Amino acid sequence: GAGVSQSPRYKVAKRGQDVALRCDPISGHVSLFWYQQALGQGPEFLTYFQNEAQLDKSGLPSDRFFAERPEGSVSTLKIQRTQQEDSAVYLCASSLGLLGKKYNSPLHFGNGTRLTVT
Amino acid sequence: ILNVEQSPQSLHVQEGDSTNFTCSFPSSNFYALHWYRWETAKSPEALFVMTLNGDEKKKGRISATLNTKEGYSYLYIKGSQPEDSATYLCAFTGYSTLTFGKGTMLLVSP
Repeated sequence: GAGVSQSPRYKVAKRGQDVALRCDPISGHVSLFWYQQALGQGPEFLTYFQNEAQLDKSGLPSDRFFAERPEGSVSTLKIQRTQQEDSAVYLCASSLGLLGKKYNSPLHFGNGTRLTVT
Repeated sequence: ILNVEQSPQSLHVQEGDSTNFTCSFPSSNFYALHWYRWETAKSPEALFVMTLNGDEKKKGRISATLNTKEGYSYLYIKGSQPEDSATYLCAFTGYSTLTFGKGTMLLVSP
């Protein structure tokens, strides 16, 4: 079956430009996570959705970052007025499990979007 | 802020060597510990999800142990092969968090 799909795979943006990154999770997966991975670092949590509800956005680094999942499936991560420090790989992951319960369901990751801000 | 620490940061071994690395995590409010393998140009792939203290899991030449009381998990690779070269990530799950370590980068030379 289809896995988690992210697009675009690569994005080059000029500083100050707005970008939108898309994530298509596995059908039926309730939980959806966004992570940011800078060079040489592990994935850093950005935000978590349970269906269409954004239950945790504590990892979003600034108010320039905005995520939505309006129908509980596809999610979009939007970055406004991009800065060079936003350059990173943005990973999306989905899962059958629910945070707040005994979370023993693995995450299924997309291939990520590599964002380069020049 | 949850501290999930992985060591070593990187490791270079020869084909056929056995190796192991460590994930340390908070011992309170533990729900689950995940291990993922992340090969270059691919997406992270789940290896194990462990929930019980003393649990051991095995997948081919890779195995993992879990000690929730002292807050650590070991990942072992027996007889490393070049295709095992990847970054190995662990992730700790508490009540409302899923936090990754920075990973251990393994390079296996033929």
